Amino acid sequence: EAGVTQFPSHSVIEKGQTVTLRCDPISGHDNLYWYRRVMGKEIKFLLHFVKESKQDESGMPNNRFLAERTGGTYSTLKVQPAELEDSGVYFCASSQLGPWDTEAFFGQGTRLTVV
Amino acid sequence: AQTVTQSQPEMSVQEAETVTLSCTYDTSESDYYLFWYKQPPSRQMILVIRQEAYKQQNATENRFSVNFQKAAKSFSLKISDSQLGDAAMYFCAYRGNSGGSNYKLTFGKGTLLTVNP
Repeated sequence: EAGVTQFPSHSVIEKGQTVTLRCDPISGHDNLYWYRRVMGKEIKFLLHFVKESKQDESGMPNNRFLAERTGGTYSTLKVQPAELEDSGVYFCASSQLGPWDTEAFFGQGTRLTVV
Repeated sequence: AQTVTQSQPEMSVQEAETVTLSCTYDTSESDYYLFWYKQPPSRQMILVIRQEAYKQQNATENRFSVNFQKAAKSFSLKISDSQLGDAAMYFCAYRGNSGGSNYKLTFGKGTLLTVNP
Protein backbone atom coordinates (compact mmCIF):
# COMPACT_ATOMS: atom_id res chain seq x y z
CA GLU A 1 0.00 0.00 0.00
CA ALA A 2 1.36 3.41 -0.95
CA GLY A 3 2.05 5.82 1.85
CA VAL A 4 1.39 9.53 1.99
CA THR A 5 3.07 11.18 -0.97
CA GLN A 6 4.04 14.79 -1.27
CA PHE A 7 5.16 16.76 -4.31
CA PRO A 8 7.57 18.37 -4.86
CA SER A 9 10.17 17.27 -2.36
CA HIS A 10 11.96 20.59 -2.68
CA SER A 11 10.95 23.96 -4.04
CA VAL A 12 12.96 27.15 -4.28
CA ILE A 13 11.03 30.22 -5.33
CA GLU A 14 11.49 33.95 -5.24
CA LYS A 15 9.60 36.20 -2.93
CA GLY A 16 6.33 37.18 -4.52
CA GLN A 17 5.96 34.05 -6.59
CA THR A 18 3.32 31.39 -6.20
CA VAL A 19 3.93 27.81 -5.17
CA THR A 20 1.54 24.90 -4.96
CA LEU A 21 2.28 21.89 -2.81
CA ARG A 22 0.47 18.64 -3.29
CA CYS A 23 -0.35 15.80 -0.93
CA ASP A 24 -1.75 12.41 -1.87
CA PRO A 25 -3.03 10.67 1.26
CA ILE A 26 -3.28 6.98 1.80
CA SER A 27 -6.27 5.63 -0.08
CA GLY A 28 -9.35 5.53 2.12
CA HIS A 29 -8.06 8.05 4.63
CA ASP A 30 -10.67 10.74 5.07
CA ASN A 31 -8.63 12.81 7.52
CA LEU A 32 -5.93 14.93 5.95
CA TYR A 33 -3.72 17.35 7.84
CA TRP A 34 -1.19 19.95 6.84
CA TYR A 35 1.63 20.91 9.18
CA ARG A 36 4.63 23.19 8.82
CA ARG A 37 8.00 23.29 10.50
CA VAL A 38 9.94 26.48 10.34
CA MET A 39 13.65 25.96 10.93
CA GLY A 40 14.43 25.41 14.60
CA LYS A 41 10.84 25.61 15.71
CA GLU A 42 8.00 23.26 16.46
CA ILE A 43 5.97 21.53 13.84
CA LYS A 44 2.81 23.56 13.71
CA PHE A 45 -0.66 22.50 12.66
CA LEU A 46 -2.07 24.36 9.68
CA LEU A 47 -5.39 22.76 8.86
CA HIS A 48 -7.48 19.64 8.80
CA PHE A 49 -9.74 18.22 6.12
CA VAL A 50 -12.39 15.60 6.61
CA LYS A 51 -12.99 14.35 3.13
CA GLU A 52 -13.37 17.51 1.05
CA SER A 53 -14.47 19.76 3.92
CA LYS A 54 -12.21 21.96 6.01
CA GLN A 55 -12.73 20.85 9.59
CA ASP A 56 -10.27 23.19 11.21
CA GLU A 57 -8.12 25.85 9.55
CA SER A 58 -7.16 27.68 12.71
CA GLY A 59 -3.47 27.20 12.04
CA MET A 60 -3.36 28.87 8.64
CA PRO A 61 -1.00 31.84 8.99
CA ASN A 62 -2.84 34.29 6.76
CA ASN A 63 -4.88 34.61 3.60
CA ARG A 64 -1.86 34.05 1.39
CA PHE A 65 -2.34 30.35 2.10
CA LEU A 66 -5.11 28.45 0.37
CA ALA A 67 -5.75 24.76 0.85
CA GLU A 68 -8.08 22.62 -1.18
CA ARG A 69 -9.00 18.99 -1.29
CA THR A 70 -10.72 18.17 -4.52
CA GLY A 71 -13.24 15.37 -4.24
CA GLY A 72 -11.87 14.36 -0.90
CA THR A 73 -8.79 12.80 -2.46
CA TYR A 74 -5.52 14.68 -2.89
CA SER A 75 -4.96 18.09 -1.38
CA THR A 76 -3.09 21.17 -2.51
CA LEU A 77 -1.66 24.00 -0.48
CA LYS A 78 -1.02 27.17 -2.43
CA VAL A 79 1.04 30.06 -1.17
CA GLN A 80 0.46 33.28 -3.08
CA PRO A 81 2.43 35.49 -2.95
CA ALA A 82 5.21 33.74 -1.07
CA GLU A 83 7.16 35.63 1.59
CA LEU A 84 10.54 34.84 3.14
CA GLU A 85 8.95 33.69 6.38
CA ASP A 86 7.03 30.99 4.53
CA SER A 87 10.22 28.97 4.19
CA GLY A 88 10.12 25.67 5.99
CA VAL A 89 9.12 22.07 5.62
CA TYR A 90 5.46 21.40 4.93
CA PHE A 91 4.18 18.04 6.07
CA CYS A 92 1.01 16.29 5.15
CA ALA A 93 -0.54 13.50 7.20
CA SER A 94 -3.58 11.31 6.78
CA SER A 95 -5.58 8.98 8.95
CA GLN A 96 -8.76 6.99 8.87
CA LEU A 97 -11.96 8.57 10.03
CA GLY A 98 -13.60 7.05 13.06
CA PRO A 99 -14.35 7.44 16.75
CA TRP A 100 -11.48 5.19 17.68
CA ASP A 101 -7.86 6.09 17.89
CA THR A 102 -6.37 6.18 14.43
CA GLU A 103 -2.72 6.57 13.62
CA ALA A 104 -1.64 9.50 11.49
CA PHE A 105 0.77 8.66 8.67
CA PHE A 106 3.07 11.37 7.44
CA GLY A 107 4.54 12.17 4.08
CA GLN A 108 8.18 13.02 3.56
CA GLY A 109 7.44 16.71 3.47
CA THR A 110 8.10 19.49 0.98
CA ARG A 111 11.02 21.74 1.77
CA LEU A 112 10.07 25.23 0.63
CA THR A 113 12.71 27.92 0.37
CA VAL A 114 11.68 31.45 -0.45
CA VAL A 115 14.57 33.68 -1.54
CA ALA B 1 -3.77 25.60 24.73
CA GLN B 2 -1.58 22.57 24.93
CA THR B 3 2.18 22.86 24.74
CA VAL B 4 4.93 20.29 24.37
CA THR B 5 8.50 20.97 25.47
CA GLN B 6 11.58 19.03 24.50
CA SER B 7 14.46 20.51 26.43
CA GLN B 8 17.23 18.61 24.66
CA PRO B 9 17.92 19.97 21.17
CA GLU B 10 20.60 17.32 20.63
CA MET B 11 21.61 14.08 22.23
CA SER B 12 24.22 11.48 21.42
CA VAL B 13 24.64 7.87 22.45
CA GLN B 14 27.13 5.12 21.82
CA GLU B 15 25.94 2.18 19.83
CA ALA B 16 24.44 -0.52 22.10
CA GLU B 17 24.00 1.94 24.96
CA THR B 18 20.77 3.38 26.36
CA VAL B 19 19.56 6.93 25.93
CA THR B 20 16.57 8.80 27.33
CA LEU B 21 14.89 11.68 25.55
CA SER B 22 12.86 14.08 27.66
CA CYS B 23 9.45 15.56 26.99
CA THR B 24 7.08 17.55 29.14
CA TYR B 25 3.69 18.86 28.22
CA ASP B 26 0.99 21.08 29.53
CA THR B 27 -2.73 20.45 29.22
CA SER B 28 -5.94 20.88 31.14
CA GLU B 29 -7.48 17.80 29.56
CA SER B 30 -7.67 14.50 31.39
CA ASP B 31 -7.97 12.24 28.37
CA TYR B 32 -5.33 12.45 25.67
CA TYR B 33 -2.63 10.60 23.78
CA LEU B 34 1.09 11.13 23.69
CA PHE B 35 3.38 10.06 20.89
CA TRP B 36 6.99 9.83 19.94
CA TYR B 37 7.71 10.22 16.25
CA LYS B 38 11.02 9.55 14.55
CA GLN B 39 12.15 11.42 11.47
CA PRO B 40 15.23 9.85 9.87
CA PRO B 41 17.32 11.82 7.39
CA SER B 42 15.00 10.64 4.59
CA ARG B 43 12.44 12.92 6.28
CA GLN B 44 9.35 10.72 6.55
CA MET B 45 8.08 10.76 10.10
CA ILE B 46 7.31 7.41 11.62
CA LEU B 47 5.34 6.67 14.75
CA VAL B 48 7.62 5.06 17.33
CA ILE B 49 5.36 4.64 20.30
CA ARG B 50 2.03 5.80 21.68
CA GLN B 51 0.67 6.20 25.19
CA GLU B 52 -2.94 6.64 26.22
CA ALA B 53 -3.23 8.93 29.22
CA TYR B 54 -5.78 6.75 30.94
CA LYS B 55 -3.41 3.80 30.95
CA GLN B 56 -1.05 3.66 33.88
CA GLN B 57 1.18 1.06 32.31
CA ASN B 58 4.03 2.50 30.31
CA ALA B 59 4.00 1.63 26.62
CA THR B 60 6.77 -0.53 25.20
CA GLU B 61 7.70 -1.33 21.62
CA ASN B 62 10.72 -3.61 21.39
CA ARG B 63 13.75 -1.46 22.31
CA PHE B 64 11.62 1.64 22.82
CA SER B 65 9.80 2.35 26.05
CA VAL B 66 8.34 5.38 27.73
CA ASN B 67 8.23 6.69 31.26
CA PHE B 68 4.84 8.34 31.53
CA GLN B 69 4.32 10.42 34.63
CA LYS B 70 0.84 11.90 34.32
CA ALA B 71 0.90 14.02 37.45
CA ALA B 72 4.23 15.52 36.46
CA LYS B 73 3.14 15.78 32.81
CA SER B 74 6.30 14.07 31.72
CA PHE B 75 6.71 11.60 28.86
CA SER B 76 10.27 10.47 28.26
CA LEU B 77 11.45 7.98 25.65
CA LYS B 78 14.05 5.38 26.44
CA ILE B 79 15.93 3.69 23.63
CA SER B 80 17.78 0.58 24.71
CA ASP B 81 20.61 -1.11 22.83
CA SER B 82 20.88 1.86 20.49
CA GLN B 83 21.53 1.11 16.84
CA LEU B 84 22.94 3.24 14.07
CA GLY B 85 19.52 3.26 12.46
CA ASP B 86 18.08 5.01 15.49
CA ALA B 87 19.85 8.21 14.48
CA ALA B 88 17.09 10.68 13.67
CA MET B 89 15.13 13.66 14.86
CA TYR B 90 12.65 12.61 17.53
CA PHE B 91 9.48 14.54 18.10
CA CYS B 92 7.24 14.30 21.11
CA ALA B 93 3.59 15.02 20.32
CA TYR B 94 0.30 15.46 22.13
CA ARG B 95 -3.21 14.86 20.91
CA GLY B 96 -6.41 15.52 22.77
CA ASN B 97 -9.20 13.02 22.92
CA SER B 98 -12.11 15.19 23.85
CA GLY B 99 -14.30 13.95 21.06
CA GLY B 100 -14.97 14.97 17.50
CA SER B 101 -12.90 14.10 14.52
CA ASN B 102 -10.10 16.61 14.83
CA TYR B 103 -7.06 14.75 16.00
CA LYS B 104 -4.46 17.40 15.30
CA LEU B 105 -1.09 16.94 16.93
CA THR B 106 0.87 19.43 19.00
CA PHE B 107 4.60 18.86 18.65
CA GLY B 108 7.72 19.73 20.55
CA LYS B 109 10.75 21.21 18.81
CA GLY B 110 12.43 17.86 18.47
CA THR B 111 15.62 16.23 19.69
CA LEU B 112 18.31 15.29 17.22
CA LEU B 113 19.78 11.95 18.24
CA THR B 114 23.22 10.92 17.04
CA VAL B 115 24.37 7.33 17.45
CA ASN B 116 28.12 6.89 17.56
CA PRO B 117 29.65 3.61 16.39
